[in-house]
Amino acid sequence: EVQLVESGGGLIQPGGSLRLSCAASGFTVSSNYMSWVRQAPGKGLEWVSVIYSGGSTYYADSVKGRFTISRDNSKNTLYLQMNSLRAEDTAVYYCARFPGASYYDYWGQGTLVTVSS
Amino acid sequence: QSALTQPASVSGSPGQSITISCTGTSSDVGGYNYVSWYQQHPGKAPKLMIYDVSNRPSGVSNRFSGSKSGNTASLTISGLQAEDEADYYCSSYTSSSTPGVFGGGTKLTVL
Repeated sequence: EVQLVESGGGLIQPGGSLRLSCAASGFTVSSNYMSWVRQAPGKGLEWVSVIYSGGSTYYADSVKGRFTISRDNSKNTLYLQMNSLRAEDTAVYYCARFPGASYYDYWGQGTLVTVSS
Repeated sequence: QSALTQPASVSGSPGQSITISCTGTSSDVGGYNYVSWYQQHPGKAPKLMIYDVSNRPSGVSNRFSGSKSGNTASLTISGLQAEDEADYYCSSYTSSSTPGVFGGGTKLTVL
């Protein structure tokens, strides 16, 4: 059974850093395209970042230069390092499997990041 | 502003059919057969309902169907049920460097 479990969210002051984790089971993270998608309170879904099976990474303009996506093959885990956090980064962050960059077939339960002083 | 345009809300009575549209450009919806649709209930993660324009994942009711014409994709739900009340999002592959763009979402109300 495919499962994605996010962790690492919380309350953080503006300018701070957080690292989100997404532990996968039932498939191999490194063999798949994996994405982070976020949803601000009361708002729609926003694509944040993707890492392809070959290791290439891409970011939304809103997070470019501040966020870094990575994976640990030995732990079968996806990460999102978030630096220089802003109030507008407040959202529930979901990790999702993204086969072929054409659709998101499995999602985690989400982890809430709140950026506030 | 979302890359793909959806109506903010639609409504229908139990048993009726509704259609939600998703309008993009030739660089996304119109250029590829990689449109997907997601259902999201309050406080829950999105769930894949349709992929590659018209394919249903295993376990998704055949009351849900997808189609595309030009730069506009559509999700049709037939035989509306109370549990269909949710937010629905479309997504499309895009030739830009931002894969998997989403529509702004449509709130479906079952009257």
